[in-house]
Amino acid sequence: AQTVTQSQPEMSVQEAETVTLSCTYDTSESNYYLFWYKQPPSRQMILVIRQEAYKQQNATENRFSVNFQKAAKSFSLKISDSQLGDTAMYFCAFIMRARLEDMRFGAGTRLTVKP
Amino acid sequence: SQTIHQWPATLVQPVGSPLSLECTVEGTSNPNLYWYRQAAGRGLQLLFYSVGIGQISSEVPQNLSASRPQDRQFILSSKKLLLSDSGFYLCAWRGSGGYHEQYFGPGTRLTVT
Repeated sequence: AQTVTQSQPEMSVQEAETVTLSCTYDTSESNYYLFWYKQPPSRQMILVIRQEAYKQQNATENRFSVNFQKAAKSFSLKISDSQLGDTAMYFCAFIMRARLEDMRFGAGTRLTVKP
Repeated sequence: SQTIHQWPATLVQPVGSPLSLECTVEGTSNPNLYWYRQAAGRGLQLLFYSVGIGQISSEVPQNLSASRPQDRQFILSSKKLLLSDSGFYLCAWRGSGGYHEQYFGPGTRLTVT
């Protein structure tokens, strides 16, 4: 079974500092995609960043970047220069190329950015 | 650009009453559509998905049903709500790009009393 694990239920960071959120996943597939979603207090899920398993280069979107370690099945999210607006729940998600309808989500990490 | 709408935003219903939540997508045709439920402080659970009009796949046996009467309309229903149906319901559509990411609507908060 494909599972996604986020081992940090809650984290906090000072404004302007850097924080890393952890995500591990379990799969026997080699062709898949990974995502980080942000859910602010409004509760709308917003796509933050995405990564294809076959691409070795880590994805970057402005202040957000990932550390994708395929062999370790790890997909961590780094937020640089944290802003108050980054306060949200962050969900790691996984989808296999062979079953695109079945996106699996982790339980989430609640991030609080402190002024 | 594509947008996804959900209504109502908030709903309070008594146990045993019917339910109808609507989701519509604009700016794309023949999208793959999804209904998720999110319990308080939890991740997302896939309830239904649809690859086309009238085509519904259920992931979890439950008190709910889904229908897709039009290409860009997806409806979540129940004939008789249970207390356990309370939660936050999210509709999503799958992008047609290479990453197959999903884009979510604003959600509906359902409280069954």
